[in-house]
Amino acid sequence: DGGITQSPKYLFRKEGQNVTLSCEQNLNHDAMYWYRQDPGQGLRLIYYSQIVNDFQKGDIAEGYSVSREKKESFPLTVTSAQKNPTAFYLCASSISPEQYFGPGTRLTVT
Amino acid sequence: RKEVEQDPGPFNVPEGATVAFNCTYSNSASQSFFWYRQDCRKEPKLLMSVYSSGNEDGRFTAQLNRASQYISLLIRDSKLSDSATYLCVVKGAAGNMLTFGGGTRLMVKP
Repeated sequence: DGGITQSPKYLFRKEGQNVTLSCEQNLNHDAMYWYRQDPGQGLRLIYYSQIVNDFQKGDIAEGYSVSREKKESFPLTVTSAQKNPTAFYLCASSISPEQYFGPGTRLTVT
Repeated sequence: RKEVEQDPGPFNVPEGATVAFNCTYSNSASQSFFWYRQDCRKEPKLLMSVYSSGNEDGRFTAQLNRASQYISLLIRDSKLSDSATYLCVVKGAAGNMLTFGGGTRLMVKP
């Protein structure tokens, strides 16, 4: 079953803790992306990767980090430096130009 | 000015109605255009690409006006299942980055 998986679906953390969100795809797409969506707002790009072992900052990269060691995987770490981490996080991959999204992870930090 | 602007709505229409959404974009060099559909608390899903000549997919018609820098989506014979948020998405001239509008919410009533 081809697609993009994100886990977990819901994640709860205490303030000050780093947390890593998983994103895996078996579509053989080169490019992968992380977005954040806040209630009633559009998607904002956090990081993207066009190829393995390379990634670039998006519009709101502060407080986040990523790695791209394998084509299939693009995990996102939300660090304690991110001031407002509670949001809906969406991972996408692309064969260009369309992007396809995973089901998302809802992160709540209290 | 936002790069991609949409009327947030909501548009409340009865079943069977025809409804149209517009979207404006600021970058005249934009290359590709899309409509995505996002159900409540779910990931966005590609609805259709928008071509210069306009294109139709069943009850959905998308049009692009490059001179005025706007994109439209027309939904005919609205169904209850069309209730969702419709995201206008634009790809810039360089790279594969997409810019998302804030979305237009549609509610189809019985």
